[in-house]
Amino acid sequence: QKEVEQNSGPLSVPEGAIASLNCTYSDRVSQSFFWYRQYSGKSPELIMSIYSNGDKEDGRFTAQLNKASQYVSLLIRDSQPSDSATYLCAVRREYGNKLVFGAGTILRVKS
Amino acid sequence: DGGITQSPKYLFRKEGQNVTLSCEQNLNHDAMYWYRQDPGQGLRLIYYSQIVNDFQKGDIAEGYSVSREKKESFPLTVTSAQKNPTAFYLCASSTLRDQPQHFGDGTRLSIL
Repeated sequence: QKEVEQNSGPLSVPEGAIASLNCTYSDRVSQSFFWYRQYSGKSPELIMSIYSNGDKEDGRFTAQLNKASQYVSLLIRDSQPSDSATYLCAVRREYGNKLVFGAGTILRVKS
Repeated sequence: DGGITQSPKYLFRKEGQNVTLSCEQNLNHDAMYWYRQDPGQGLRLIYYSQIVNDFQKGDIAEGYSVSREKKESFPLTVTSAQKNPTAFYLCASSTLRDQPQHFGDGTRLSIL
């Protein structure tokens, strides 16, 4: 079992729809979770951090965390073609301040 | 502007050659990291450093070496022992507290 698992996609949504990206992790003691967006050929950029159970909203983005189910998700409302990218889920390991990344989900927003 | 600068953007390695990738940050971050990304895959940790003159191996350290002589700098050497070096290399930094990592623009390494 991989430490961090994501559906590779591609996930295709029409412009204006809600895109839902999911991530599961295996380390029960993980406390910190991050979503990065990576455009083709570019480096990852941070879009959301979440540390507590529940929802965290930032503009069109909402991160949801359920530690009991070891599940973290990212919702993108009013999806735009510019949101088309690979979304990486990252989980901090308990020791060493290290992140473990999922392989990423490709999102395609069609206009 | 504060940020992380990686150079060069593209690098080519000949057989048997060692090459060094540069990473400099002016964010005053204590921790720095090197990752490797292969096509269609997530990032894998090569080495990391939380303090000057100290660093630890990540998940795929074989064939790589690093140094941390200054807080701002964390160069990565890809040695000839790394038989499959073609990849996108990413440098990141963060504070030591539970904060996210931020990335440089990356270096693409290919074999000639």
